[in-house]
Amino acid sequence: AQKITQTQPGMFVQEKEAVTLDCTYDTSDQSYGLFWYKQPSSGEMIFLIYQGSYDEQNATEGRYSLNFQKARKSANLVISASQLGDSAMYFCAMSRSGAGSYQLTFGKGTKLSVIP
Amino acid sequence: DSGVTQTPKHLITATGQRVTLRCSPRSGDLSVYWYQQSLDQGLQFLIQYYNGEERAKGNILERFSAQQFPDLHSELNLSSLELGDSALYFCASSVDSYSYEQYFGPGTRLTVT
Repeated sequence: AQKITQTQPGMFVQEKEAVTLDCTYDTSDQSYGLFWYKQPSSGEMIFLIYQGSYDEQNATEGRYSLNFQKARKSANLVISASQLGDSAMYFCAMSRSGAGSYQLTFGKGTKLSVIP
Repeated sequence: DSGVTQTPKHLITATGQRVTLRCSPRSGDLSVYWYQQSLDQGLQFLIQYYNGEERAKGNILERFSAQQFPDLHSELNLSSLELGDSALYFCASSVDSYSYEQYFGPGTRLTVT
């Protein structure tokens, strides 16, 4: 079974500062994917970034980067230069890879508040 | 806008009733996933369909069922509703069952009174 742990229920960050949201995972699979999603107060789920377990380089997408440490089973999200629009819930998720299904297992989320 | 549509946006119904939630995937996407987001359970995977066939099953109750039609839209049927079924139900679509990128719809908020 796969498990995602997000230990920070809430975080505050000053506008324009960088912030790291923690995520650790547990799986016995050799091949898996790690994801981050953003959920604003409006409720939609927005895909941010993906990291495959065999990818050697950390994934980056604009201001988002995923700090992947396989040995520690962690997949932290780093948001650089925070903006007020970054205030939202952030979910870390994982899936198996190559099994014909990318069903996602989610963590409980971290609520990020950006302070002007 | 992800291109995935879900109807209705909101649904209020009474315990014991049955409802149907509808999802239209992005044009060309063959795979549809259903997720439930509740205060108690968080976000959890319910079921996946690929090109009309069930591909994977998660924590879906026996009172719930789903199907994907030849035009690729999907429906999630919830019956004998209980208060605890109140949740936000998302569908997500992907190009195929080997694509990791899932595009989420806006969700249907179900309230059971």
